Amino acid sequence: AQSVTQPDIHITVSEGASLELRCNYSYGATPYLFWYVQSPGQGLQLLLKYFSGDTLVQGIKGFEAEFKRSQSSFNLRKPSVHWSDAAEYFCAVSPFGNEKLTFGTGTRLTIIP
Amino acid sequence: NAGVTQTPKFQVLKTGQSMTLQCAQDMNHEYMSWYRQDPGMGLRLIHYSVGAGITDQGEVPNGYNVSRSTTEDFPLRLLSAAPSQTSVYFCASSTGQVNTEAFFGQGTRLTVV
Repeated sequence: AQSVTQPDIHITVSEGASLELRCNYSYGATPYLFWYVQSPGQGLQLLLKYFSGDTLVQGIKGFEAEFKRSQSSFNLRKPSVHWSDAAEYFCAVSPFGNEKLTFGTGTRLTIIP
Repeated sequence: NAGVTQTPKFQVLKTGQSMTLQCAQDMNHEYMSWYRQDPGMGLRLIHYSVGAGITDQGEVPNGYNVSRSTTEDFPLRLLSAAPSQTSVYFCASSTGQVNTEAFFGQGTRLTVV
């Protein structure tokens, strides 16, 4: 069975600082990997996805993620965070495309001035 | 451009009552799914459908029924609500093809007292 671990429940960073959110997955084959963002009271918005090819994936809002097969990781990064990035971030894995997603428990991001 | 629409947004039920959470999409997507979101647990798949007339169970199907009579609609039924079903419910849809994204509704916050 597939699983996702997001080891950081809550992260606080200063506005303008860099950000890295960790995600480790467990899956027997090459997974389909996703990062979603959820603002308070809102649904989920896709930030980026990895299906195959280049292991460094660019997404919306200046985010990127790197797939490292040897470490079973798919960490999310942003070089300089903005106050509007405060939200909850979910990593997810799927055996095929975007079906039957398995989500991590999420990382809540707080931005301080 | 409605996307995925969930109704109601909020609902309070008494234990033992029944209700149906509605989900409709206007993108002609074949694949639809229901997730529940609980604090510290991320989102978990309840049921999914790969097309009209076809449904299957996800990770946490007990206590929920679904049907898919049309491509557009995928209602989630609680036959006898229990406090353990207090959660935020999200509906998602996608084309089912590999290099596409899943679109999520805004969620239904359900409280069972």
